[in-house]
Amino acid sequence: KAGVTQTPRYLIKTRGQQVTLSCSPISGHRSVSWYQQTPGQGLQFLFEYFSETQRNKGNFPGRFSGRQFSNSRSEMNVSTLELGDSALYLCASSLGPAGNTEAFFGQGTRLTVV
Amino acid sequence: SQQGEEDPQALSIQEGENATMNCSYKTSINNLQWYRQNSGRGLVHLILIRSNEREKHSGRLRVTLDTSKKSSSLLITASRAADTASYFCATDDSSASKIIFGSGTRLSIRP
Repeated sequence: KAGVTQTPRYLIKTRGQQVTLSCSPISGHRSVSWYQQTPGQGLQFLFEYFSETQRNKGNFPGRFSGRQFSNSRSEMNVSTLELGDSALYLCASSLGPAGNTEAFFGQGTRLTVV
Repeated sequence: SQQGEEDPQALSIQEGENATMNCSYKTSINNLQWYRQNSGRGLVHLILIRSNEREKHSGRLRVTLDTSKKSSSLLITASRAADTASYFCATDDSSASKIIFGSGTRLSIRP
């Protein structure tokens, strides 16, 4: 069974640009959630999608958005990048709500904003 | 803001010894989970304990949960070099649709 796949693994962008990250969940998993990890703030919840609907959202500005497709693949977009957006972005998939069941994480996308 | 706080922030022990990490959280929970992360890579799920459970075992792992004290502990017995990693506790929110992570404990196993 293939794991959670995140692409790309590494990304360097310039301030003001926008970026799209992709996450392919484990086959059969309908819940996909996104997290930002930084040395200063730790692991912060961004949003969770289930069957193409955003069910929960963390405390991030509107520059951070996401969506989920009918095949459960998800993308997150960050517009007008800031230096502080440099982080490891992790995606997790689970059969049900992430808080209730085991969540499987991808290897992450390391975004550097210069 | 983070729900859980792990204690200690860093722990270094000799291979073969036991490692204990503690987690405290702030609000009522349905579940508490422990995850491991190696060197800034993805997280690996270790164990999930529900609020009506007090103790759970999985191989060399033992997790306890005290909902009255809003705390949990993770014990790793007979530690190995491969256990070197960061360990995070995570709780659900009221909707159970998101995980709220603690700040983590960095565990180093000395050969």
